[in-house]
Amino acid sequence: EDQVTQSPEALRLQEGESSSLNCSYTVSGLRGLFWYRQDPGKGPEFLFTLYSAGEEKEKERLKATLTKKESFLHITAPKPEDSATYLCAVQRGATNKLIFGTGTLLAVQP
Amino acid sequence: DAGVIQSPRHEVTEMGQEVTLRCKPISGHNSLFWYRQTMMRGLELLIYFNNNVPIDDSGMPEDRFSAKMPNASFSTLKIQPSEPRDSAVYFCASSPGQGEIQETQYFGPGTRLLVL
Repeated sequence: EDQVTQSPEALRLQEGESSSLNCSYTVSGLRGLFWYRQDPGKGPEFLFTLYSAGEEKEKERLKATLTKKESFLHITAPKPEDSATYLCAVQRGATNKLIFGTGTLLAVQP
Repeated sequence: DAGVIQSPRHEVTEMGQEVTLRCKPISGHNSLFWYRQTMMRGLELLIYFNNNVPIDDSGMPEDRFSAKMPNASFSTLKIQPSEPRDSAVYFCASSPGQGEIQETQYFGPGTRLLVL
């Protein structure tokens, strides 16, 4: 059965304190792994798509990496505005469906 | 682009009443998705359409839920009769193409449903 597990469930950082969020997945025929950011009361906002092991993508203070079993979202020198829930999702072969993890709630304190 | 538009943004109703949620996808997008988000289960796909045709409704919880897409710019998700356990945030998302390549889904702001 396809499964996505995110850890930790919640993370509190001081401004400038770098860290990583983990997304472990089990899926047959991965087509893509997606990272989204969700602010309270809003819909998920697209961040990255990774397609194959070894791939990396960056956007401002965020960098996403992918292996055959997991993905990491690295946050370098975070700011309070990076506080949000970060969601990971996988898309498997021959389907347009996304399977989401339950997310990591990130709080960055000034 | 206005993005995905959902209405209403909030809905409070009583158990047994019919609820209709509405979605307008991004213009030109051919795939549309309905999700439900709860604290316990996270984001779950209910149903998705390609070119207005339902492709996979395996996530629809039961017969009380139904979804339609009468044209490329409008979809509804209906719950009849509603129950308190249906309380959740319902999201609509759309993506550009036919699903043959990895495609990004763009989400609307959601409808917060509370069934009393």
